[in-house]
Amino acid sequence: DVKVTQSSRYLVKRTGEKVFLECVQDMDHENMFWYRQDPGLGLRLIYFSYDVKMKEKGDIPEGYSVSREKKERFSLILESASTNQTSMYLCASSTSGSRGGTQYFGPGTRLLVL
Amino acid sequence: GNSVTQMEGPVTLSEEAFLTINCTYTATGYPSLFWYVQYPGEGLQLLLKATKADDKGSNKGFEATYRKETTSFHLEKGSVQVSDSAVYFCALSLYNNNDMRFGAGTRLTVKP
Repeated sequence: DVKVTQSSRYLVKRTGEKVFLECVQDMDHENMFWYRQDPGLGLRLIYFSYDVKMKEKGDIPEGYSVSREKKERFSLILESASTNQTSMYLCASSTSGSRGGTQYFGPGTRLLVL
Repeated sequence: GNSVTQMEGPVTLSEEAFLTINCTYTATGYPSLFWYVQYPGEGLQLLLKATKADDKGSNKGFEATYRKETTSFHLEKGSVQVSDSAVYFCALSLYNNNDMRFGAGTRLTVKP
């Protein structure tokens, strides 16, 4: 069965802290994605990666960075957390090059920045 | 740009009621269209999809038909259950699934 896991379901951090969110997929997918989900705004793409060490900015990359050292793992880093980064963060993965292909999502990490 | 607009919620229905959630899209080409569902405390999962005009996607009693002439992909179910309570997202993808665009989501609550 397809599986995307995220390291934490809930996180509470303080303003200015460095925050790491980790995502692991077991489907040998080339693509991995980080979204944030906010009420009324749907999902907005932060970054995606189409291969190890490769990344592309999404719609809202400011204040975030990513790391993909292994195919199965994609990390989202908040260099200096701010209160406006309080949100639900969703990781997803997919195979490459497939028109009509689906993305598979993890359960999400709800981050609260105080 | 490419985008999806779906009806605002929340939507509250009684069990066995008919459901429609409207979704319209704007795209520069011919996208693939999707409905994803997010149950409480979970990530999104694919509910159904259609990749070309007049295709009908269906799953778990839900249906949606890709209408190019009205640029729409409305989600319908004839008789909802309490277990259908969730947030529903319409989405499109133009070239491959790296370019997926999601709507704002519609929260559905079904009461017994």
